Order: sequence, then structure tokens, then C-alpha cells
Amino acid sequence: EAQVTQNPRYLITVTGKKLTVTCSQNMNHEYMSWYRQDPGLGLRQIYYSMNVEVTDKGDVPEGYKVSRKEKRNFPLILESPSPNQTSLYFCASSYLGRQGKTMNTEAFFGQGTRLTVV
Amino acid sequence: GQQVMQIPQYQHVQEGEDFTTYCNSSTTLSNIQWYKQRPGGHPVFLIQLVKSGEVKKQKRLTFQFGEAKKNSSLHITATQTTDVGTYFCAGRGAGGTSYGKLTFGQGTILTVHP
Repeated sequence: EAQVTQNPRYLITVTGKKLTVTCSQNMNHEYMSWYRQDPGLGLRQIYYSMNVEVTDKGDVPEGYKVSRKEKRNFPLILESPSPNQTSLYFCASSYLGRQGKTMNTEAFFGQGTRLTVV
Repeated sequence: GQQVMQIPQYQHVQEGEDFTTYCNSSTTLSNIQWYKQRPGGHPVFLIQLVKSGEVKKQKRLTFQFGEAKKNSSLHITATQTTDVGTYFCAGRGAGGTSYGKLTFGQGTILTVHP
């Protein structure tokens, strides 16, 4: 079954304690991305990756790190979490498409990780 | 950088009324996608539009992609309570530094009163 798996689903942590949220996809997608969702602000992109070892900042990258050492995994790292990083986080993956060619680049989302930093 | 604006932020309708949400990108897109997120769930893909001026229909939902490939709309005819949720557009960058990047609009939260 094609899926994006995020772990954990729920996490409560304290300020400053490093944490990692894992994301794994089994569809051989080149593109992976992290979003955070806050009331009234929609889905804001944190980081994205076009392929292995290629990552770029999204719109709200401050306080986050990512890595893409393998095609299937794209972990989100919070080195020193703060309360303003309390949010709902989604990982997504998709094919990237090819210029001049029509192909479905639908994004598949994980179930989400609800993070609370106290 | 690439920005995608979506309006309105909220829409309350009576069951049976129509609903439209609009999306506008700051840059030309290679495609636009629409997603629906039910309360408590994750965004789920509805459709992808690729061609300039493209119109696609899914039952009561009509999707349009603008001629300049920078704007799009989703129209729901005769809303039902099952249409409740947040609708997002997402634009895939066409070139330059935005190539391949998928940027979401802020979403429209639809409430349907029976």
C-alpha cells in the first residue's frame, strides 16, 4: 500500500530538548516536504527536498533542520524546540514531474504529528 | 519567492447553496492541485490541472485553471454536509528557483449548515 508514515503522531516535550519527527514514503518519490499547520495560517512549508542530498528552505525554516540521506526518508529535526513551534506537522511526498510532460504529481500526506512544546 | 493566495478564508453556506474558492499565484505554475482536508484529518488530493484554461469536473465540483496559469478556482454546486472541510489549492512552480516547489494556499474553511 502506497503511504507516507510519520512518527510519532503525538508528542509533548519541553523547551530545549532536541527531537526528531520521522517521515518515510514507499513510493520512490523524488520530492518530499514538511509543512506546519496553524489555525488561520493554512499549510506553511518548512523545508523541501527535490532528491537525495538536495534540500531547500521553505517559507518558515527557522528553528528546523532536515536531511535527505536516502530517497525514502526525510526526518524533521528540532534542535532546541520552543513553545512557538507547537503545531500540527505534516510530511508529504510526490513525483516531481518532468518539464514538457504531463504526469500526476499528486502529494501524499502523512497522518500528521501534533507537537506541543511546554 | 513563489506565493499562493487563496480566498475567502472562511465560507458558511446553507446546504444546497453553491460555494467557490479562488486561488492566485505570484508566479506562473506548471500545474495547480486541489486538496480537501476533513476536520481532524490530513489533506487529500482531489485533482490536478495542467493546461492553460483547463476545466475539469468531478460530480458537483468544477475546477478551472486560468489562461495565464497563475490562478484557479474550485466551485461546488449545491453543497452537502459531506462537503464540510478545508479546501486547499497548491501550485507547482514552473521554473527558476521555484521549479518543482509545491506551495499551498491558506485554505478555505467551508461550513455547511443543514
